[in-house]
Amino acid sequence: DAGVTQSPTHLIKTRGQHVTLRCSPISGHKSVSWYQQVLGQGPQFIFQYYEKEERGRGNFPDRFSARQFPNYSSELNVNALLLGDSALYLCASSLAPTALQYFGPGTRLTVT
Amino acid sequence: GENVEQHPSTLSVQEGDSAVIKCTYSDSASNYFPWYKQELGKRPQLIIDIRSNVGEKKDQRIAVTLNKTAKHFSLHITETQPEDSAVYFCAASIGPGGGADGLTFGKGTHLIIQP
Repeated sequence: DAGVTQSPTHLIKTRGQHVTLRCSPISGHKSVSWYQQVLGQGPQFIFQYYEKEERGRGNFPDRFSARQFPNYSSELNVNALLLGDSALYLCASSLAPTALQYFGPGTRLTVT
Repeated sequence: GENVEQHPSTLSVQEGDSAVIKCTYSDSASNYFPWYKQELGKRPQLIIDIRSNVGEKKDQRIAVTLNKTAKHFSLHITETQPEDSAVYFCAASIGPGGGADGLTFGKGTHLIIQP
């Protein structure tokens, strides 16, 4: 059974640009959550999606948005990138919003 | 919202000794408390979790204790080994899936096992 997959693995962007990160959940999992992990800190919750609807949102600006597709994969979009957006972005999937989460390997975003 | 404090930020122990990492949380509605191990450049891996109806849980060399009254929980690793070296995170939430507020993590403890 494949685990949670994320793409790309790494990317480098310039301030002001836009970025899209992708996540494929474990087969059968219908809920996806996104977390931002700045170097030296714990992951911080950004969004949770379930059945294509946003179920929760953390304390992040409107530059951050996400969506979930009919196949339960998800995209995280960040507009007008700032240097402070440099982080490891983790996706976690679960059967349902209340079920155990499994983390993907993450996407390392560097903003220069 | 929930706030999780974790101590110490760095812990160095001799191989074979025990290590204890402590966390406190603020929201009395939280009832799920996982611990994650993260090696450099890797994803967080769940190593043990505890729910509020249980005071202690063990899995081989790892144990977690929970004091709901005091709102604190601890990770205990006995007979430490070099492969235990990593960053450990505690977290709290209303349930395993995190709910509408997700999992709230502590800032992490860098555990160093000295040979």
